[in-house]
Amino acid sequence: GENVEQHPSTLSVQEGDSAVIKCTYSDSASNYFPWYKQELGKRPQLIIDIRSNVGEKKDQRIAVTLNKTAKHFSLHITETQPEDSAVYFCAPRGDSSYKLIFGSGTRLLVRP
Amino acid sequence: DAEITQSPRHKITETGRQVTLACHQTWNHNNMFWYRQDLGHGLRLIHYSYGVQDTNKGEVSDGYSVSRSNTEDLPLTLESAASSQTSVYFCASSESIGYGYTFGSGTRLTVV
Repeated sequence: GENVEQHPSTLSVQEGDSAVIKCTYSDSASNYFPWYKQELGKRPQLIIDIRSNVGEKKDQRIAVTLNKTAKHFSLHITETQPEDSAVYFCAPRGDSSYKLIFGSGTRLLVRP
Repeated sequence: DAEITQSPRHKITETGRQVTLACHQTWNHNNMFWYRQDLGHGLRLIHYSYGVQDTNKGEVSDGYSVSRSNTEDLPLTLESAASSQTSVYFCASSESIGYGYTFGSGTRLTVV
């Protein structure tokens, strides 16, 4: 089955700095790569996703980059704000499966 | 607006009792999933369904069962609740392979 690892497990940045979270996966058939944000006490919410035929996707201050050869994809947050503080999960998915296997999460703290 | 709802939001039950958590979605999605979330373990897949009468085991299915008699509902049953099943349970649905999940707001279950 899919083996998913996220790094780092915790990340603390100063407001206005950038944050990068990396997700490594094992299934070479994976072709859908989403990132979820979960605020304290809330449900996970999809913030950005990318498909295997695209190397990078950007949505305002967040972006996702994909390296299929190396089997990893990353979440980039620029100009971080305190409301970006949350746990972020990656969840790569293979072509033949609808189910997502989640990474263990990265707790991001943005210090004002 | 379409939505996915879970009930109850909070539940306390005793060891050995049978418990059913409800999940209802009005997105008309064929694909539905149950996850549990524990500190240090992220989101782990319990059971999932790709359509009416279809159910599949996830990575942590022991002690749980699901049934899918219609498109809208996927109830999760704990056959004989154990303290190790104290957790937050999330239901999710998905339209297709190329799309992310929409999560319910979660059920916090405590087994005493």
